[in-house]
Amino acid sequence: DSGVTQTPKHLITATGQRVTLRCSPRSGDLSVYWYQQSLDQGLQFLIQYYNGEERAKGNILERFSAQQFPDLHSELNLSSLELGDSALYFCASSPGLAGVVEQFFGPGTRLTVL
Amino acid sequence: AQSVSQHNHHVILSEAASLELGCNYSYGGTVNLFWYVQYPGQHLQLLLKYFSGDPLVKGIKGFEAEFIKSKFSFNLRKPSVQWSDTAEYFCAPGGNQGNLIFGKGTKLSVKP
Repeated sequence: DSGVTQTPKHLITATGQRVTLRCSPRSGDLSVYWYQQSLDQGLQFLIQYYNGEERAKGNILERFSAQQFPDLHSELNLSSLELGDSALYFCASSPGLAGVVEQFFGPGTRLTVL
Repeated sequence: AQSVSQHNHHVILSEAASLELGCNYSYGGTVNLFWYVQYPGQHLQLLLKYFSGDPLVKGIKGFEAEFIKSKFSFNLRKPSVQWSDTAEYFCAPGGNQGNLIFGKGTKLSVKP
């Protein structure tokens, strides 16, 4: 158990819908990262927050957005869902700005868009 | 742009065979290097990491990796694999945005 929690574990929805994925980082970690893992694209970095502020963006679509709240939990919002958005979404956390420190990964949320 | 390449998509070995998974990266500055493992149905876990110092790094479960700066490589090795090592392995240099750049991953299947 990494100490990072994600809810829900599974999510099944229809095209065009909007969903929210939630992540609680390890106690004391200020940075939260979101990744998307799919068969064709592999594991891709989406976005990073540090202490409530957006710090880095990766291959995140405009239909996707995220935020980090004062209690440091984070939410990833996916809207106008398409079939291709079906994937495993991981959240990770680290004490500081990573690239230099280990990231701890949550169990992921499996999103299925029908 | 920063990138990472893992040479093998799927490796199949028998128990007790030796393992080497290749990883090459392209990165202009100081790089920190990680190998993560994802066991079936589980989240990613850190196997080992290199920040500086001895280029031969030892990790958990008998894994090690060697950083060769001149070759931009960070290959993962294990002298004798076990069935329980069946998993997907990801090489990940630390990116300059403070994130990890993940390779496509190498699936390792170990036959008992």
